[in-house]
Amino acid sequence: NAGVTQTPKFRVLKTGQSMTLLCAQDMNHEYMYWYRQDPGMGLRLIHYSVGEGTTAKGEVPDGYNVSRLKKQNFLLGLESAAPSQTSVYFCASNERGGQPQHFGDGTRLSIL
Amino acid sequence: AQSVTQPDIHITVSEGASLELRCNYSYGATPYLFWYVQSPGQGLQLLLKYFSGDTLVQGIKGFEAEFKRSQSSFNLRKPSVHWSDAAEYFCAVGASSGGYNKLIFGAGTRLAVHP
Repeated sequence: NAGVTQTPKFRVLKTGQSMTLLCAQDMNHEYMYWYRQDPGMGLRLIHYSVGEGTTAKGEVPDGYNVSRLKKQNFLLGLESAAPSQTSVYFCASNERGGQPQHFGDGTRLSIL
Repeated sequence: AQSVTQPDIHITVSEGASLELRCNYSYGATPYLFWYVQSPGQGLQLLLKYFSGDTLVQGIKGFEAEFKRSQSSFNLRKPSVHWSDAAEYFCAVGASSGGYNKLIFGAGTRLAVHP
């Protein structure tokens, strides 16, 4: 019973490099979310999706793009990484808005 | 604007002692309220939720929380803490925005347990 799986778990990038974080869920959930977690700030929503083929901006979307080509996958892209994007990234999903969200174990991203 | 405040950044308790973690929210309507726990290097796990009805809700691992509308609070309690409860705890409120429900998280309370 995998739930929400994030890959990779750790990554170090140089400023200006690009990368994609993958989130996969096997619960047939409609809604998926990307958060970043920084010390003392809790979790902040980057982007979210309310269904296959849809995406929308959250609280801190600048510098990130997302895609939801398949219902079970939600990709987070950094086109040109900056040190300010050093963070722990969490993916989450739920059946519909208002229901508890299920979280992956996170991706630790360091940008030098 | 919707917000969640967890006044205590760090709390240290002795094993076997009781615990109360505070959470205050700001939201105009009746909120959905959640408590999550995060162990080091792990994602967030749902402890309990409040949607409506009985204001005292029971969760996993022996935790409970009480919704007090008059105080805009949703404090988490446990009568006897175990060393394995050391973790970071997040309170969250579910708020409507643009036709969907989003979670607004507090900054978290880090719990240390002394033997």
